[in-house]
Amino acid sequence: DTAVSQTPKYLVTQMGNDKSIKCEQNLGHDTMYWYKQDSKKFLKIMFSYNNKELIINETVPNRFSPKSPDKAHLNLHINSLELGDSAVYFCASSQDRETQPQHFGDGTRLSIL
Amino acid sequence: EDKVVQSPLSLVVHEGDTVTLNCSYEVTNFRSLLWYKQEKKAPTFLFMLTSSGIEKKSGRLSSILDKKELSSILNITATQTGDSAIYLCAFSGTYKYIFGTGTRLKVLA
Repeated sequence: DTAVSQTPKYLVTQMGNDKSIKCEQNLGHDTMYWYKQDSKKFLKIMFSYNNKELIINETVPNRFSPKSPDKAHLNLHINSLELGDSAVYFCASSQDRETQPQHFGDGTRLSIL
Repeated sequence: EDKVVQSPLSLVVHEGDTVTLNCSYEVTNFRSLLWYKQEKKAPTFLFMLTSSGIEKKSGRLSSILDKKELSSILNITATQTGDSAIYLCAFSGTYKYIFGTGTRLKVLA
């Protein structure tokens, strides 16, 4: 009964490849997010969706494309992977966009060779 | 530009010590301030603060917000080795959450 689940947990791939990370939440939340956490543990927001609609798109290369097929899912597709994309990617969800705490998935550790 | 600054960046203490972690923010549209604890995997929620001067407490952890000073502190009393983690502070503004760089706390036995 995991609240926010991401797959895969680990992703090791070559530069130039395309990969996807999936996220699902069973909390009934309206808002979902993708964050990138670098090696210094800085957590930076990438995207936010509210009821399947994109509401935040921070300065992220357009190689990153989120997709929300429904309120409970937010997937992240990354094209032409680069070395600098190596990081831990966290999915999170919250009941609303500003006043409720976020629940995080366990993260996907992406390593580019 | 909205930002959150945490201090110290890292801290090493012995079991039983009391620690105070600081978080200051500059925001254009403040809604709430949140504290999270991150051990090996996902950040886990500790506190959400919206009103100035009201302390929130959970066991040995407590936190308070000072809107005048644009800051918050997280106190941990009688620290244990299990408190070793990165403590993240975040504020929520217009449609988003901005995180600080975190304070890495290590508690030695």
